[in-house]
Amino acid sequence: DADVTQTPRNRITKTGKRIMLECSQTKGHDRMYWYRQDPGLGLRLIYYSFDVKDINKGEISDGYSVSRQAQAKFSLSLESAIPNQTALYFCATSVAGLAAYNEQFFGPGTRLTVL
Amino acid sequence: AQKITQTQPGMFVQEKEAVTLDCTYDTSDPSYGLFWYKQPSSGEMIFLIYQGSYDQQNATEGRYSLNFQKARKSANLVISASQLGDSAMYFCAMRSHASGGSYIPTFGRGTSLIVHP
Repeated sequence: DADVTQTPRNRITKTGKRIMLECSQTKGHDRMYWYRQDPGLGLRLIYYSFDVKDINKGEISDGYSVSRQAQAKFSLSLESAIPNQTALYFCATSVAGLAAYNEQFFGPGTRLTVL
Repeated sequence: AQKITQTQPGMFVQEKEAVTLDCTYDTSDPSYGLFWYKQPSSGEMIFLIYQGSYDQQNATEGRYSLNFQKARKSANLVISASQLGDSAMYFCAMRSHASGGSYIPTFGRGTSLIVHP
């Protein structure tokens, strides 16, 4: 079984709808991240969480919110989806600690289309 | 602020040849880590190789090696003996100290590599 799972894997929705993307991990990592990927722009950080009580905005948090329900679960919500939120969304995890080496482990991605 | 630059949107290489994918970075933190990830057409992100700022030797992992030139702030990925399965997007990423004592990774925009038979 995959260590980092994302549901759904694909979603098509309409402008103005509320959407939740879910991420679960079995790696026991404290840190979790949400990224979006757009062609030519690489991965951009939306939100990150270093533990259940710690939530931080990333580079592009406007229009998004998150919830860390447990160590293993980190959800991303689009309160009112708009077409420019069409992208590939990745969840990632890493161990805690200040070492520069802390490889991130990525989920398979969720492809979201907002019509 | 930290920044990662990948200047090659696309690269082509003949099968069995070597190819270098460029990555330059900018950070004021003396302690940082550099990563390369591969993203095949299926979409998943695959970790390839890591280089720490204090590492004396260039990192190697099988056919992947990292040409780390600290003074130039570059961390180029070298793939030797290219294979058709190496065709993918490649991302360079860096983790360095951010506010609050955390290490937040920053990604470059990626390089698309196509390996020709």
